[in-house]
Amino acid sequence: QVQLQESGPGLVKPSQTLSLTCAVAGDSISSYSYYWSWIRQPAGKGLEWIGRIYTTGRTNYNPSFKSRVTISADTSKNQFSLKLISVTAADTAVYFCARDRGDDDSSGPFDYWGQGTLVTVSS
Amino acid sequence: DIQMTQSPSSVSASVGDRVTITCRASQGINTWLAWYQQKPGKAPKLLISTASSLQSGVPSRFSGSGSGTDFTLTISSLQPEDFATYYCQESTTFPPTFGQGTTVEIK
Repeated sequence: QVQLQESGPGLVKPSQTLSLTCAVAGDSISSYSYYWSWIRQPAGKGLEWIGRIYTTGRTNYNPSFKSRVTISADTSKNQFSLKLISVTAADTAVYFCARDRGDDDSSGPFDYWGQGTLVTVSS
Repeated sequence: DIQMTQSPSSVSASVGDRVTITCRASQGINTWLAWYQQKPGKAPKLLISTASSLQSGVPSRFSGSGSGTDFTLTISSLQPEDFATYYCQESTTFPPTFGQGTTVEIK
């Protein structure tokens, strides 16, 4: 059974950097079968894809995050990470990591998800 | 970005009812559409991929259809555990986009 678990600070100050890690069990992020994505959901709102990483280190990002986002992977720990710089209150959301069954040209569907972690941006 | 529009935004139904949710894409996406179920405080759960492929373990009362721009998710006989919010998601371009969600509420 594939399991994903997000971790990281639940509170980040405005203008600072949001950093989250997703630990994966039951699958290897080094395999060539899947991509690994981050998705977020503001309270009471819909889902927004942030970006993803492949075992080769290739990344794809949502242009709406411009150059604020970086996704990286640590294959030795079988985990991948999200960094979002210059955060504002609008970045307050539940952040999910997910396994991405897409290919080189598309993302999704997402078949396994972490339980999500709430990140609040506030001073 | 491709815009995904779901209707209705919410629906009130009773156990045993047949419920249909519609998802419309702003441009053709072939059958590159997935449906998810989300319960409060939980992560979304993948129900259907490529418009009509039921994921393993998902009850057969769930079905999906459509291609191009118009898609439907049908729950043939609503069960108590089906009260949740449902999202569609297209996967043809970057970024992949989700519908705004349809909440199935108890009547």
